[in-house]
Amino acid sequence: AQSVAQPEDQVNVAEGNPLTVKCTYSVSGNPYLFWYVQYPNRGLQFLLKYITGDNLVKGSYGFEAEFNKSQTSFHLKKPSALVSDSALYFCAVRDMGWDSNYQLIWGAGTKLIIKP
Amino acid sequence: EAGVAQSPRYKIIEKRQSVAFWCNPISGHATLYWYQQILGQGPKLLIQFQNNGVVDDSQLPKDRFSAERLKGVDSTLKIQPAKLEDSAVYLCASSLDGTDNQPQHFGDGTRLSIL
Repeated sequence: AQSVAQPEDQVNVAEGNPLTVKCTYSVSGNPYLFWYVQYPNRGLQFLLKYITGDNLVKGSYGFEAEFNKSQTSFHLKKPSALVSDSALYFCAVRDMGWDSNYQLIWGAGTKLIIKP
Repeated sequence: EAGVAQSPRYKIIEKRQSVAFWCNPISGHATLYWYQQILGQGPKLLIQFQNNGVVDDSQLPKDRFSAERLKGVDSTLKIQPAKLEDSAVYLCASSLDGTDNQPQHFGDGTRLSIL
């Protein structure tokens, strides 16, 4: 069955330090992978996606993510965290396998807190 | 471009009452989604429209929830009658054509509280 795991409910990082928000997935076929961010009382905003090609994907606000097929991971990263990066982050995957229903599967979210 | 518009932003009703939410997607977006997001969880797809046709409503509780997109633009989601467990944020999203690699653009949601 398709699934997405965000193993950390919360990640705390000091401003200026690098940050990583983890995401692992399980699908039967090739994955389409997405990261979204949600600020308080707002809808989700698209950050970046991996469809095919280069494993390192760059997105909005200086974020990037690395697709690792062998580890079935798609961790979100940023070299230097800002206080304004504090938000809820969601990973999502679409299973493109021939027997999939192609639904977008969402992780439970990771709360990122950047401390000044 | 203007984003996805939703109204109202907040709604408080008593259980067994009815409620309706409205969504106006980004102009030109053929695909429209309604999600339910319970506090501390990821979004759960309720229904997906392609123009004015339903693509996926497998997780819509059809005994109490209904949705329509009559002219392929605006959409309404209705709950009748509401239950306590319906307390959540209802998010509307749209995408250009529903292609699998297209990102979804979200509105700010309607926060529903059931008393």
